[in-house]
Amino acid sequence: DIVLTQSPATLSVSPGERATLSCRASQSVSRNLVWYQQKPGQAPRLLIYDTSTRATGIPARFSGSGSGTEFTLTLSNLQSEDFAVYYCQQYNNWPWTFGLGTKVEIK
Amino acid sequence: EVQLLESGGNLVQPGGSLRLSCVASGFTFNNYPMSWIRQAPGMGLEWISAIGDSGASTYYADSVKGRFTISRDNSKNTLYLQMNSLRAEDTAIYYCAMDPRNRGWWGYWGQGSLVTVSS
Repeated sequence: DIVLTQSPATLSVSPGERATLSCRASQSVSRNLVWYQQKPGQAPRLLIYDTSTRATGIPARFSGSGSGTEFTLTLSNLQSEDFAVYYCQQYNNWPWTFGLGTKVEIK
Repeated sequence: EVQLLESGGNLVQPGGSLRLSCVASGFTFNNYPMSWIRQAPGMGLEWISAIGDSGASTYYADSVKGRFTISRDNSKNTLYLQMNSLRAEDTAIYYCAMDPRNRGWWGYWGQGSLVTVSS
């Protein structure tokens, strides 16, 4: 199975600042990677698919990049509603796997 | 508006069985693959099973293979997960989710159904 390693586990950021989240795959997943946001007590929400395509309704301050084994989710100008846990997930190989998540908290 | 509504979660003893349901609305159900994804308390996400749009193709994670069965009734817009031989480690919130592009990611999720396996 492909292992996705997310770092850091927790990121403390002030509102208005930028947060950079990393997702590293144990083998290449090409660009077949998505990012989800999850808030406490809620289901995950799709943010980005195919590494860099924002899902419908996702603001431009969310951006994704990378390929192969190294991926990044960048949150620019952090808003209060952006503090949450973020998961990456690969769909290049069965079984589809998730990273353990990065919690973005208010500094 | 796409809606997915799970039900059937409960407290069950180890070795017991449970069936989860997920009623879909707001889209043409029989056009899309569906999955079950679970999340143990305070933990990350784990994909456990998927089914093709017709129901002919099914897929399972090793952790549930042979114990869980995914199925769908397209006439009722409903997805199911039959869970047998339940273990304590199956305790989780179970989400149903729709794969809008048949690619292996999920653009729509239900609110989840809690399954607790404990004596």
